[in-house]
Amino acid sequence: EDQVTQSPEALRLQEGESSSLNCSYTVSGLRGLFWYRQDPGKGPEFLFTLYSAGEEKEKERLKATLTKKESFLHITAPKPEDSATYLCAVQALARAGNMLTFGGGTRLMVKP
Amino acid sequence: DVKVTQSSRYLVKRTGEKVFLECVQDMDHENMFWYRQDPGLGLRLIYFSYDVKMKEKGDIPEGYSVSREKKERFSLILESASTNQTSMYLCASRKGGGWGYTFGSGTRLTVV
Repeated sequence: EDQVTQSPEALRLQEGESSSLNCSYTVSGLRGLFWYRQDPGKGPEFLFTLYSAGEEKEKERLKATLTKKESFLHITAPKPEDSATYLCAVQALARAGNMLTFGGGTRLMVKP
Repeated sequence: DVKVTQSSRYLVKRTGEKVFLECVQDMDHENMFWYRQDPGLGLRLIYFSYDVKMKEKGDIPEGYSVSREKKERFSLILESASTNQTSMYLCASRKGGGWGYTFGSGTRLTVV
């Protein structure tokens, strides 16, 4: 069974204080790993897709990396507007319909 | 950009009522999905559809059914709403053979 675990569940940072969010996964063959951002009361918004170990993607203050067992979302010098829940999801080769399995999310709060 | 529209942001229904949640996408995507999101449990797949009139059960289909009569519209039906179906419901769509999902803004359903 595919499993995705995100840590920490919640993270409080001061503005400018860099940190990383973790996504550990177990799948029977990874097709892709996805990061989404979700603001309160809204649907998740796509950030990145990573396909193979060693791959990195960047967008503004965010950088996602991937190994064979986990992915990190690095946040450099965060701002209050980066406050949101960040979701990780995996797409397994063996799973019918290429469906995504989601982790529980990390709720990030950045204080000014 | 693909737009996924969920007809209601907030709904309050009584136990035993039949509830319809509607989702429409405007980019001719083949695949559509219904998830529910609960604190501590993350996103869980209820049903998905490959194409018109095609549907497959997800991880938690009990108590739900779906309808896809037109390619752009995917409806989630609660035949007899119960309090344990109080949740945030998220619709998503994806082009056939594609990767990540595009989500709607969600419907927060409260069953009293």
